[in-house]
Amino acid sequence: AQSVTQPDIHITVSEGASLELRCNYSYGATPYLFWYVQSPGQGLQLLLKYFSGDTLVQGIKGFEAEFKRSQSSFNLRKPSVHWSDAAEYFCAVEPGGSYIPTFGRGTSLIVHP
Amino acid sequence: DAGVIQSPRHEVTEMGQEVTLRCKPISGHDYLFWYRQTMMRGLELLIYFNNNVPIDDSGMPEDRFSAKMPNASFSTLKIQPSEPRDSAVYFCASSISGGYNEQFFGPGTRLTVL
Repeated sequence: AQSVTQPDIHITVSEGASLELRCNYSYGATPYLFWYVQSPGQGLQLLLKYFSGDTLVQGIKGFEAEFKRSQSSFNLRKPSVHWSDAAEYFCAVEPGGSYIPTFGRGTSLIVHP
Repeated sequence: DAGVIQSPRHEVTEMGQEVTLRCKPISGHDYLFWYRQTMMRGLELLIYFNNNVPIDDSGMPEDRFSAKMPNASFSTLKIQPSEPRDSAVYFCASSISGGYNEQFFGPGTRLTVL
């Protein structure tokens, strides 16, 4: 079975600083990979996804993620964080075509002014 | 489309009472998921349906929990009897096969069992 590890429970950055949230997965083949964001009091919203092809994928709100097969990683990045990016971020892995993702425990992003 | 709709948004009940959570998926979506989110356990998949049929309910904690999907536009998650440890945020999500595998989440129901 697949699994997802988000090693950082909390990340604190200053507004305007760059951001990288880590995600490692365990799965035998190349899975579908996702990043979701959850703002306080709301449901999860898709930021970006990777199925195949270019390993650097662009998402909404200026986020990007890079798939590295050799490291089984799919880290989320943003060059300059805004205060409104403070939220919970979830990485998810899905065996291709199953429609059933496994979510990581999430990383809480705190943005200091 | 209005997105996934959940009701109620907040529910406070006393231990032993029956609780029913409701979900309306996005029209045309054929997958529906129920999740529970807590600080201790994170986001847990409870059950999912495909074309209104329950496919996997292995995540349902115990027999006190039950879920139904009588038609393509409505699903319920029922807890009977409720216990304080059931306090959590419950999310419903839907997705469409043949699409981009994106799950669309509702705003959640915050359940507090006293």
